[in-house]
Amino acid sequence: DSGVTQTPKHLITATGQRVTLRCSPRSGDLSVYWYQQSLDQGLQFLIQYYNGEERAKGNILERFSAQQFPDLHSELNLSSLELGDSALYFCASSVDGRTYNEQFFGPGTRLTVL
Amino acid sequence: GESVGLHLPTLSVQEGDNSIINCAYSNSASDYFIWYKQESGKGPQFIIDIRSNMDKRQGQRVTVLLNKTVKHLSLQIAATQPGDSAVYFCASATNKLIFGTGTLLAVQP
Repeated sequence: DSGVTQTPKHLITATGQRVTLRCSPRSGDLSVYWYQQSLDQGLQFLIQYYNGEERAKGNILERFSAQQFPDLHSELNLSSLELGDSALYFCASSVDGRTYNEQFFGPGTRLTVL
Repeated sequence: GESVGLHLPTLSVQEGDNSIINCAYSNSASDYFIWYKQESGKGPQFIIDIRSNMDKRQGQRVTVLLNKTVKHLSLQIAATQPGDSAVYFCASATNKLIFGTGTLLAVQP
């Protein structure tokens, strides 16, 4: 158990819908990262937050948005869902947001868009 | 664009044998590399890392080799055990991490 929690574990929805994925970082970690893992593209970095502020942006679509709240949990919002958005979405956390080898991944949320 | 790819999608080894998983990267400016293990139903787990100023780094039963000339790195697992069965993928970093697609390691008892 990495200490990072993600809810829900599974999510099934329809095209055009909007969903929210939630992540709670490890105790003491200030930085949260979101990743998408699909069968055809592997793991891709979406976005990083540090202590409530956006720190880095990766291949995140405009239909997707995220935020980190004062209690340090984070939410990833996916809207106008398409079939191709079906994937595993992972959250990771780290203490300072600068060291990749200290990122701890959550168990992921499996999103299925029908 | 940048890419990090794996040569073998599936590797089947006998328990007790050594395993070698390979990875190629495209960005010669990459200065940091990580190997991850991902078990079924779980998130990626850090195994070992190496910086570009090193050729080799050893951990517990694992060794990473880096060949910057041909932009290739490998993960060696000694005395492979059933618990090593998982997907392994590499990542390279400049200002962000680029991940490979993964190799499934299947350990036969």
